Amino acid sequence: NAGVTQTPKFQVLKTGQSMTLQCAQDMNHEYMSWYRQDPGMGLRLIHYSVGAGITDQGEVPNGYNVSRSTTEDFPLRLLSAAPSQTSVYFCASSYSVGAKYYEQYFGPGTRLTVT
Amino acid sequence: DQQVKQNSPSLSVQEGRISILNCDYTNSMFDYFLWYKKYPAEGPTFLISISSIKDKNEDGRFTVFLNKSAKHLSLHIVPSQPGDSAVYFCAASPRGSNYKLTFGKGTLLTVNP
Repeated sequence: NAGVTQTPKFQVLKTGQSMTLQCAQDMNHEYMSWYRQDPGMGLRLIHYSVGAGITDQGEVPNGYNVSRSTTEDFPLRLLSAAPSQTSVYFCASSYSVGAKYYEQYFGPGTRLTVT
Repeated sequence: DQQVKQNSPSLSVQEGRISILNCDYTNSMFDYFLWYKKYPAEGPTFLISISSIKDKNEDGRFTVFLNKSAKHLSLHIVPSQPGDSAVYFCAASPRGSNYKLTFGKGTLLTVNP
């Protein structure tokens, strides 16, 4: 298993440009999430999905869109990049068995700089 | 309003000694607590977790303690090793919502040989 993969590893954007951060997992996990980490901060939840076709907002959703058409993929779209979106972005996946929920597995991250 | 707080930005210990990392939370809905370890330029790696029905969970050198009345948890690493040097994040989620983690700001642990 490759686990959770993210592309690209690094990206530089100009203000106003759009782009999509890719996230894929090969563990058949039903739950996927996007977080951002800023210097000196913990990770903050942007959007999450509890299954294909179902997404919802997290703590910091403004400026980002998501969709989940398959179990494996959960792309994050920046509609019009702003310098405040300069951050490291992490995708994560997790699963449950009955009433027991398990930890999230994280990807290696995408470092995004908006100039 | 920080719902998960790690008040020590850094901690330095000698190899072989105990490392104790602390975490406080304010949200009474949190039911599941986790510790993640993070090296620079990598994603967080799961270390150990505990649910609110327990007050202790052990996994090898790592033990997590939960004090629900004080809304406090701690991670003990015994004995500490230089390879344990990393940033440790405390995280929490409500029941049945392991995809909605709230993280603390992290504690940088340095284990000196």
